[in-house]
Amino acid sequence: ETGVTQTPRHLVMGMTNKKSLKCEQHLGHNAMYWYKQSAKKPLELMFVYNFKEQTENNSVPSRFSPECPNSSHLFLHLHTLQPEDSALYLCASSGSGLAGGSTDTQYFGPGTRLTVL
Amino acid sequence: AQSVTQLDSHVSVSEGTPVLLRCNYSSSYSPSLFWYVQHPNKGLQLLLKYTSAATLVKGINGFEAEFKKSETSFHLTKPSAHMSDAAEYFCLGGGTSYGKLTFGQGTILTVHP
Repeated sequence: ETGVTQTPRHLVMGMTNKKSLKCEQHLGHNAMYWYKQSAKKPLELMFVYNFKEQTENNSVPSRFSPECPNSSHLFLHLHTLQPEDSALYLCASSGSGLAGGSTDTQYFGPGTRLTVL
Repeated sequence: AQSVTQLDSHVSVSEGTPVLLRCNYSSSYSPSLFWYVQHPNKGLQLLLKYTSAATLVKGINGFEAEFKKSETSFHLTKPSAHMSDAAEYFCLGGGTSYGKLTFGQGTILTVHP
């Protein structure tokens, strides 16, 4: 858990607010991921970045905007969210993210618990 | 396409008794399979990983899993449950496009004193 950190751990925001979630990995990995975990639903992959380039956008609404300035940092910018966006947002990283990299172990951060009022 | 199915949404055991959490997979080719554990308000922690090197995989905290191709299963076991094992467990499958994992629905393990 200490290899991937996320801030803040808890966030409460109104539907008109703009906020950002931050993820940082200290493992030297090249791939980073955002997941959404809602109650009673399987984890949903949102975005994948490999070597700072977005390689996966899993039909995520535009009110979620990811940013990956370098291989160690990943942000999720939030604006005009809806109450149904309340969830635990998990960040993960893995080694190569290259073809065949699905064998790579993903290391998860502790998550940000987001509540949208 | 690959899918992963966890057969039980809840499992309840007494402390000191064996744990069995079931996971079946479907894949057109040899998969990578993982078990993760999630304690309340925490991220997912890797327990163990199968990548075809050995069919019996030993993980942390006394857990192990056996890959059975004939049964397309990757069940997680532990000989003796501890109170600290109470958590939610996820079976994940890789082997599709890079970086993408297929998640099982999760199994909540309850351990009674």
